Amino acid sequence: DQQVKQNSPSLSVQEGRISILNCDYTNSMFDYFLWYKKYPAEGPTFLISISSIKDKNEDGRFTVFLNKSAKHLSLHIVPSQPGDSAVYFCAASANLVSGAGSYQLTFGKGTKLSVIP
Amino acid sequence: ETGVTQTPRHLVMGMTNKKSLKCEQHLGHNAMYWYKQSAKKPLELMFVYNFKEQTENNSVPSRFSPECPNSSHLFLHLHTLQPEDSALYLCASSQAGLALDTQYFGPGTRLTVL
Repeated sequence: DQQVKQNSPSLSVQEGRISILNCDYTNSMFDYFLWYKKYPAEGPTFLISISSIKDKNEDGRFTVFLNKSAKHLSLHIVPSQPGDSAVYFCAASANLVSGAGSYQLTFGKGTKLSVIP
Repeated sequence: ETGVTQTPRHLVMGMTNKKSLKCEQHLGHNAMYWYKQSAKKPLELMFVYNFKEQTENNSVPSRFSPECPNSSHLFLHLHTLQPEDSALYLCASSQAGLALDTQYFGPGTRLTVL
């Protein structure tokens, strides 16, 4: 059973518009969430994260929103650029439960974003 | 460049071969990880090492054997693999023990088992 779900395998957005990537999770023990971006032939690159004590975290064009009651998070990219075209992975961990880091990230299957010039 | 390097980048091997994947991190981290990414599947955690001690082994077959001689180096020894083991193998590292533990990935080794 998948604990982290990215239900849209792909998304196409026009350059300059907003990209919204969604992620749902089922494990209520998850308290730290991350987004990674992956280009072909490269490993995932850390993009942005959010802990469960927040509902929003912003870094330049990237904003992550967390809705704990709905067990849902989203990544907003605005404005979208052609260089943003990549696969985006959502990941989660029960990081704070042990107090020392849980070390295990659970990943979604990824959403392939295509930004059209 | 994330500070995590992996060699080789591509590997083709027969089912009777023995090979090793190497990972090195230059970030001063104390935890290292092996992940497997198969087509159309999420990244699957295989092994976790914290301060050179293996802390997790997620039901990985014994034909995969990890080794962590120090906190900067991690190996994955492969022997008598099956074609279904063909995948992208990713190494990651992190500074475990902090409240928010972000993992940084290497570029991966694309493994093909014939």
